[in-house]
Amino acid sequence: GAVVSQHPSRVICKSGTSVKIECRSLDFQATTMFWYRQFPKQSLMLMATSNEGSKATYEQGVEKDKFLINHASLTLSTLTVTSAHPEDSSFYICSATGTPETQYFGPGTRLLVL
Amino acid sequence: SQQGEEDPQALSIQEGENATMNCSYKTSINNLQWYRQNSGRGLVHLILIRSNEREKHSGRLRVTLDTSKKSSSLLITASRAADTASYFCATRYTGANSKLTFGKGITLSVRP
Repeated sequence: GAVVSQHPSRVICKSGTSVKIECRSLDFQATTMFWYRQFPKQSLMLMATSNEGSKATYEQGVEKDKFLINHASLTLSTLTVTSAHPEDSSFYICSATGTPETQYFGPGTRLLVL
Repeated sequence: SQQGEEDPQALSIQEGENATMNCSYKTSINNLQWYRQNSGRGLVHLILIRSNEREKHSGRLRVTLDTSKKSSSLLITASRAADTASYFCATRYTGANSKLTFGKGITLSVRP
């Protein structure tokens, strides 16, 4: 199946710093990528939909100035958590559309903000 | 909320037994998908069933869909300890630009 990678897999940072997470589709081109957040033992919550070459569409309640998304190419989308705080600690997962019906998920990035 | 709901929330079985997990949803769908997530890892797509399908198989997995009851079930036969994971159903509702909406997940523990 199609492969989506994320980097880094784990990051620990101090409160107030910004963290960039990369999501890459390795063997296919993805016009649309999605960013999810998952708190422990909870479901995935969609944060935003990222389309190549255009602005991301954010879900209600997600601060676009806090979670900056850039989808500069058909194989790369980045999520930057700006001025991260402890409450931003979470598991961030990206996915990319392969066929119109299926999404391929990355392995996730564990963010811990101290 | 359009979020699907799985039940049970947690399931513990002996290796070799069958595991049945259920998912209910609220509005019309294009398709329903089941995913698996090992602890602290990403999601692995297991199977997709379209709204005009009633049953699909993939190896030891069997998925059914009852659109009249707005429910789906995932059956894992002859379970193995390696099947221990969280399982999520996700629905793609009808309508333009519909997103994939995840349920809360079921934690399956298979005892060796």
